[in-house]
Amino acid sequence: DAGITQSPRYKITETGRQVTLMCHQTWSHSYMFWYRQDLGHGLRLIYYSAAADITDKGEVPDGYVVSRSKTENFPLTLESATRSQTSVYFCASLTSYRGRTDTQYFGPGTRLTVL
Amino acid sequence: GENVEQHPSTLSVQEGDSAVIKCTYSDSASNYFPWYKQELGKRPQLIIDIRSNVGEKKDQRIAVTLNKTAKHFSLHITETQPEDSAVYFCAASIRNDYKLSFGAGTTVTVRA
Repeated sequence: DAGITQSPRYKITETGRQVTLMCHQTWSHSYMFWYRQDLGHGLRLIYYSAAADITDKGEVPDGYVVSRSKTENFPLTLESATRSQTSVYFCASLTSYRGRTDTQYFGPGTRLTVL
Repeated sequence: GENVEQHPSTLSVQEGDSAVIKCTYSDSASNYFPWYKQELGKRPQLIIDIRSNVGEKKDQRIAVTLNKTAKHFSLHITETQPEDSAVYFCAASIRNDYKLSFGAGTTVTVRA
């Protein structure tokens, strides 16, 4: 579990501010994901990345931006935070081998509150 | 996109009894179905998964069954213990896509 970390673990910000959530993995996993978790919705995919410099939208990408210049890092930026983005954010990584999907490993999560 | 529905949303069982959680999915191309357990304040952790080329998989007290024709899969927990109390999520992904679509979760409470 220590192979994937998120920072900060808790964040309080105000509406309109830019916030960046960090995700770092030490396994050299090719795929990385960002999910948000809200009561009653389970986990919903925001963005994902198949490799460095390759990113794509998930189910709920509006208001978020991602980048992946290095394999081990996958930051998520809220360009102008809104109250509806108050949530718990989980980063995950995955390896694929010969077309077989492997386990998604989740980070410890970041609890974000937008006032 | 894929739509995963999960029932029930809450489940209370007596210690030692069995618990069953059911999920349905919409996209027949989905071929990977993991189940995650999440304890309060913790990250989701994989407990069992099944791929579309098998109908059932067991791991000690937990088992998962898959019915591809009906597009539903289920989690079975036998001989429940207090430490089984948690939120359980089912998920599905399409071959070579790797994007998981999650159900809304089932809160399981095991009564001592």
